[in-house]
Amino acid sequence: QVQLVQSGAEVKKPGASMKVSCKASGYTFTSYVIHWVRQAPGQRPEWMGWINAGNADTKYSQKFQGRVTITRDTSASTAYMELSSLRSEDTAVYYCASPGRRSPLDYWGQGTLVTVSS
Amino acid sequence: SYELTQPPSVSVSPGQTARITCSGDALPKKDAYWYQQNSGQAPVLVIYEDSKRPSGIPERFSGSSSGTMATLTISGAQVEDEADYYCYSTDSSGNLVVFGGGTKLTVL
Repeated sequence: QVQLVQSGAEVKKPGASMKVSCKASGYTFTSYVIHWVRQAPGQRPEWMGWINAGNADTKYSQKFQGRVTITRDTSASTAYMELSSLRSEDTAVYYCASPGRRSPLDYWGQGTLVTVSS
Repeated sequence: SYELTQPPSVSVSPGQTARITCSGDALPKKDAYWYQQNSGQAPVLVIYEDSKRPSGIPERFSGSSSGTMATLTISGAQVEDEADYYCYSTDSSGNLVVFGGGTKLTVL
């Protein structure tokens, strides 16, 4: 059974960086990509990027290019998403997601609330 | 950048058919997916690959796609179907994922 378990909620100051982890289990970690999606309060989900857990190739949304870095640790079956130069508009729930038989975003982590506030 | 466009809101009476559209230039070649999301909760997949329904999703939910428009249809909408609905797909390269702006469905 595929499970994605994310790190806990964070509070950050403007200008700081955040790093959220996503530990995968129930499948061969290096066989699939992991996506990162965020959703600010009352807003649409925003796709941020993905990492190919096998070869570490990444693709980022143009909106976050230059501020986001997605990495993975195959020994820990864990993906990470780091977002820098945080501002209040980055307050959101951040999700990791992986593909399955049905869709590119079939399995979701539980979400990590990141609050950016001075 | 690639965009998917949805109407902000759709309103129907219980038992009526609700149709929510999603338009995008790459939809003739790329599959559309539909999520239902209730406030503060994680999204639930209700339609995948344009028209397939996951197990556990009521039969009143269906999907279709023609040209640059995908449509989620809820036949005989129920009060419990009130939620935000988002479509998503990929751009023509298949590398970038894009979400629609979301449609708030009101059933009353």
